[in-house]
Amino acid sequence: AQRVTQPEKLLSVFKGAPVELKCNYSYSGSPELFWYVQYSRQRLQLLLRHISRESIKGFTADLNKGETSFHLKKPFAQEEDSAMYYCALTPTGTASKLTFGTGTRLQVTL
Amino acid sequence: EPEVTQTPSHQVTQMGQEVILRCVPISNHLYFYWYRQILGQKVEFLVSFYNNEISEKSEIFDDQFSVERPDGSNFTLKIRSTKLEDSAMYFCASSRSGDPSYEQYFGPGTRLTVT
Repeated sequence: AQRVTQPEKLLSVFKGAPVELKCNYSYSGSPELFWYVQYSRQRLQLLLRHISRESIKGFTADLNKGETSFHLKKPFAQEEDSAMYYCALTPTGTASKLTFGTGTRLQVTL
Repeated sequence: EPEVTQTPSHQVTQMGQEVILRCVPISNHLYFYWYRQILGQKVEFLVSFYNNEISEKSEIFDDQFSVERPDGSNFTLKIRSTKLEDSAMYFCASSRSGDPSYEQYFGPGTRLTVT
């Protein structure tokens, strides 16, 4: 069975400070990892996925298979980054049901 | 930009009643999903649907639940006899392919309250 763990319910940082949202996973095979974001009163939307190796809105995430982690990072937090962030995985090569973590609320303050 | 839509946004029903939650996926998408999120808990997969068949379902998706694509545009989730513990936010999602490289697009959700 697959599982995603986000240990922090709330992360509060000052504007301009670095951000790291933690995500650990357990899965016996090779998963695809994602970060989804939900801004206030908006729908859940994909932020980035490890297979694309992209940087979106200044966020990056590196898959560390040894530590089974996929932490989300941004060097300088902005107010508009305040949102709920969900880490998710799906098994490689399947009709991709997503397994989500419990989410971390990022609060960026002045 | 096309979006997944869901109706109603909020549904209140009495325990034991049947409810149908409706979704209109993005028009050229072929894979459809339902997820739910009980207040304060994680988003959980319920079911995936492709080619007019269920592809996969979770243990939550028991005989009280069913899905249908009745007319080529709508994708519905029916709960036959609602229980208090069915109260949750229900999200519909769609994607062009089941391959994980294709993004799942989520609807805004339907909040179901069972009293």
